[in-house]
Amino acid sequence: SYELTQPPSVSVSPGQTARITCSGDALPKQYAYWYQQKPGQAPVLVIYKDSERPSGIPERFSGSSSGTTVTLTISGVQAEDEADYYCQSADSSGTYGVFGGGTKLTVL
Amino acid sequence: QVQLVQSGAEVKKPGASVKVSCKASGYTFTGYYMHWVRQAPGQGLEWMGWINPNSGGTNYAQKFQGRVTMTRDTSISTAYMELSRLRSDDTAVYYCARVWGPLPRVDPLDGMDVWGQGTTVTVSS
Repeated sequence: SYELTQPPSVSVSPGQTARITCSGDALPKQYAYWYQQKPGQAPVLVIYKDSERPSGIPERFSGSSSGTTVTLTISGVQAEDEADYYCQSADSSGTYGVFGGGTKLTVL
Repeated sequence: QVQLVQSGAEVKKPGASVKVSCKASGYTFTGYYMHWVRQAPGQGLEWMGWINPNSGGTNYAQKFQGRVTMTRDTSISTAYMELSRLRSDDTAVYYCARVWGPLPRVDPLDGMDVWGQGTTVTVSS
């Protein structure tokens, strides 16, 4: 079955830039979406269609795509950004959805 | 405001079935695809499938085909997810989540902008 690969963890100091990657063979064909999840809470959509930001999401969150990798970038990381982040997309046929394994962002 | 409110926690024995509900409010229920996603304790998110609340059409992840049934009742703006032949590894929080854009503009596998609060299902003998 199709898989999306994320690094298990990323650590940054406050004010720095965090980059979280997500790799998958179908990403050149399928949009990617990013979610933030804090402990005990439901996920929150932070990026849709690779690089669009929903209303209410801070401008420091951005997304990009290059080949088989998409990247979530958080500029000027704040303590409140500490959370798990998941990418989501579809297989090459557009039939089945899939989530990446998740990346724990630690703000040092 | 737009919200999805799910039914309460369930405790089931192995081999039983569970049916989780998801009541939508604040928008046109039949206008947006609905997904079901689960998360086992300490684990990541797992996509289970979607339902088109307008037509009732469904698409299930291969892993759950034959065990999951997604339905809806448009008269009360509620979606349901029933999982049968439960095993201990089905213990998880189950979420419903709405796709971000209205039918027919979006693809059913587009991202999800509104999530329910989650329903904890515990499978234990």
